Amino acid sequence: NAGVTQTPKFQVLKTGQSMTLQCAQDMNHEYMSWYRQDPGMGLRLIHYSVGAGITDQGEVPNGYNVSRSTTEDFPLRLLSAAPSQTSVYFCASRTTQGYEQYFGPGTRLTVT
Amino acid sequence: GESVGLHLPTLSVQEGDNSIINCAYSNSASDYFIWYKQESGKGPQFIIDIRSNMDKRQGQRVTVLLNKTVKHLSLQIAATQPGDSAVYFCAEDLNTGFQKLVFGTGTRLLVSP
Repeated sequence: NAGVTQTPKFQVLKTGQSMTLQCAQDMNHEYMSWYRQDPGMGLRLIHYSVGAGITDQGEVPNGYNVSRSTTEDFPLRLLSAAPSQTSVYFCASRTTQGYEQYFGPGTRLTVT
Repeated sequence: GESVGLHLPTLSVQEGDNSIINCAYSNSASDYFIWYKQESGKGPQFIIDIRSNMDKRQGQRVTVLLNKTVKHLSLQIAATQPGDSAVYFCAEDLNTGFQKLVFGTGTRLLVSP
């Protein structure tokens, strides 16, 4: 199993540009989530999904959209990038009954 | 809002020592706690968890202690090795059925040979 994969690893955007961060898992996990990690702060939940077709907001959802059309994929869309969205983004997955989340390697995003 | 915090941002130990990483939480309704390890350039990795109805749980070389009276969580690593060098996060589930975890800011553990 590849586990949780994220692409790209690095990305630089200009203010106002849009892009999609990709996340995929091959463990048939129902629950998937996106976090952002900023220096000096813990991971903060952006959006999560408990299954295909079901998404919900986390702690910091503004400026981000998600959709879950398949069990495997959970893309995160930045609608109009802002410098405040400069961060490292992590995708994670687990079964709905379990508690052990498996994290991807992260995407480092810089918005200039 | 409610948050999970840490007492020490950096902990330096010698190889072979026992390490203790502390975490304070503020929400008495939290019913589940997790410790994660994050190595440089990687995503967090699950280490060990504990439910609020337990005081102690042991894993391989790691022990988590929960003191609900003072809302304190600790991670003990026995015989610390250079490979244990990483940032350690505690996280709590605010009774959301594992839907939403709140993470602490992290403690960096540095192990010197």
